[in-house]
Amino acid sequence: DTAVSQTPKYLVTQMGNDKSIKCEQNLGHDTMYWYKQDSKKFLKIMFSYNNKELIINETVPNRFSPKSPDKAHLNLHINSLELGDSAVYFCASSQVDRASYEQYFGPGTRLTVT
Amino acid sequence: AQSVTQLGSHVSVSEGALVLLRCNYSSSVPPYLFWYVQYPNQGLQLLLKYTTGATLVKGINGFEAEFKKSETSFHLTKPSAHMSDAAEYFCAVGRSGGYQKVTFGTGTKLQVIP
Repeated sequence: DTAVSQTPKYLVTQMGNDKSIKCEQNLGHDTMYWYKQDSKKFLKIMFSYNNKELIINETVPNRFSPKSPDKAHLNLHINSLELGDSAVYFCASSQVDRASYEQYFGPGTRLTVT
Repeated sequence: AQSVTQLGSHVSVSEGALVLLRCNYSSSVPPYLFWYVQYPNQGLQLLLKYTTGATLVKGINGFEAEFKKSETSFHLTKPSAHMSDAAEYFCAVGRSGGYQKVTFGTGTKLQVIP
């Protein structure tokens, strides 16, 4: 069983379009994250939700809007896509009240904007 | 504030040789430290973590790391490299309590030469 899944795995689109990426975790975790990994492999947190509440919102353009319909799902909608949005987007989850503190990552969504 | 510095974006070792990947951190509170591995076209997977207690921690695939507070370091080692160890390795720092904002280093790509 996949712990953290993302769809789609690949996304190719043109500048100006709007697209969404979906994430689901079946680990029973209460916290979910979106990360962006650029071409140099630098991993930067974008957003985090705890029990559907936004708790981390880094300096990200307003074109990016996360939504968490429930604890197990965290989606990312991107408006007016730009070339610089091309990257791999990772979803992750963790359980805040556990001492382990590790995050479990999805397989990533490779977004290419042309 | 917290940050991570990984020395060496690329490390090459011969198969069977010692693997040493360097990580130094900065944290205003006692840190939680992690090493993650990323194989090509995959998400990140936890190798090992330090939270409290024993400063030498063992992880999967024969890797281990030692937390040295005086040196603010958390270097990753493996006595004998295997071809399958070739991957990108990320050091990360977090903190106890509250929501787990984890800061990742820029990654070290490990190449294993046969």
